[in-house]
Amino acid sequence: DTAVSQTPKYLVTQMGNDKSIKCEQNLGHDTMYWYKQDSKKFLKIMFSYNNKELIINETVPNRFSPKSPDKAHLNLHINSLELGDSAVYFCASSQRLGADTQYFGPGTRLTVL
Amino acid sequence: AQSVTQPDIHITVSEGASLELRCNYSYGATPYLFWYVQSPGQGLQLLLKYFSGDTLVQGIKGFEAEFKRSQSSFNLRKPSVHWSDAAEYFCAVGVLFSSGSARQLTFGSGTQLTVLP
Repeated sequence: DTAVSQTPKYLVTQMGNDKSIKCEQNLGHDTMYWYKQDSKKFLKIMFSYNNKELIINETVPNRFSPKSPDKAHLNLHINSLELGDSAVYFCASSQRLGADTQYFGPGTRLTVL
Repeated sequence: AQSVTQPDIHITVSEGASLELRCNYSYGATPYLFWYVQSPGQGLQLLLKYFSGDTLVQGIKGFEAEFKRSQSSFNLRKPSVHWSDAAEYFCAVGVLFSSGSARQLTFGSGTQLTVLP
C-alpha cells in the first residue's frame, strides 16, 4: 500500500504551459504539504494545508496554486511555467497540524523546456 | 531564523566502515530534529527523530543520532555501513510557524553518501 502517492512521476513541458501535479495520501492524515527540491537538492516548503485549509504559504509566485478537494488530496497547479520551475516537487503529509513526522511521496520531476 | 547546516556535501566510506554525518542547527527554542534518507529517484524516508528525553535516539536500518545541545548538533552514526546505505541524507529541524500554529521542517542541504565495495 502506497502511503503518499504523486502523479505524474515525470513531467516535461514547454515554457508558458499550465500543468498540475496530484497528490494523495491514504494515511488518514489531516495535514499535507508541498515541497520544492532544486537542482542542488535543497528542499524548501511551499504550502501546507490542514483539513483543506491553507496554513502555510511561503514566498511562492502566485502562478503556483494548491487545491485540496478533500483531506486526502492536495494538488498543485502551475500556470505559465518558467524555466526556473524545473525541480522535483514532493508532497508530504502528517497526522495533524503541528505533528512533527512528515511522510513524503516519491516526488514529481518537472522539466520545463 | 532557523537554519540547518550539513557541512559535508559528499562522504565516501568503505563497506563495513563506520559512518558519521554531521548536522548543526540554529534555532532559538528546543528543536525537533530529524534525519531523512533519499535514495536515487525516491522520496524521503524518516530514519529517526528527536523530540525530547534521551539524547541518543535509535532509528531504522541500524542508524542512531545524538543530540548535543551545547554543540547545537545532531550527528547521525552507523557502526557498519552497507552498500545499500548509499543515498542522500538530510537533517531537518522542526520549527513553529510564525503564527504558532504549525511546525514546518527546515532542511539542510544534504550529504551524499557513497559506499565503496
